[in-house]
Amino acid sequence: DIQMTQSPSSLSASVGDRVTITCRASESINNHLNWYQQKPGKAPELLIFAVSSLQSGVPSRFSGGGSGTDFTLTISSLQPEDFATYYCQQTYSTPYTFGQGTMLEIK
Amino acid sequence: QVQLVESGGGVVQPGTSLRLSCVASGFTVTDYAIHWVRQAPGKGLEWVAIIWYEGSNKYYADSVKGRFTLSRDNSKNTLYLQMNSLRAEDTAMYYCARAFSGSSGFDRWGQGTLVTVSS
Repeated sequence: DIQMTQSPSSLSASVGDRVTITCRASESINNHLNWYQQKPGKAPELLIFAVSSLQSGVPSRFSGGGSGTDFTLTISSLQPEDFATYYCQQTYSTPYTFGQGTMLEIK
Repeated sequence: QVQLVESGGGVVQPGTSLRLSCVASGFTVTDYAIHWVRQAPGKGLEWVAIIWYEGSNKYYADSVKGRFTLSRDNSKNTLYLQMNSLRAEDTAMYYCARAFSGSSGFDRWGQGTLVTVSS
């Protein structure tokens, strides 16, 4: 199975900050890397698919990058509604594993 | 409006069975891969299983293989997750989610149904 490791596990930041979350795969997953946002008590929502493609309706302050085994999710200017937990996921091969999550909290 | 609605969760004893349903609306399930993902209380997301468009190809996580079975009723646009021999570690919120292809992101999720396995 492909292991997905996110860092950091938690992050405190302020409104307006630029933040980056990293996700590393245990082997190459080509471009089959997705990012989700989850708020408490809600289902996850797709933010970015195929490394850098923004899902419809997602604000442009979210961006994704990387290749091979190392990937990033960047939020250019944090807004109050962005404080949530973020997960990366590989869909290169089953089981389609998720990272352990990064909880983004208000400083 | 595209929607997925799960149901069938509840409190059950270890070793028993439960069948979850996922009703799709606003799209046809045979046009998408449908996944099940679970989340134990306070924990992260765990991918559980996928049923592909044609309905014959299904894959399961090792943690549920041999105990959980996917099926689909095309006439009802509904997916099912039959869960047998339930264990305490199966306690979780269960979500169904669709993906345009097996390797694409999950672009629509249901609200989830909670399964609690406890004696």
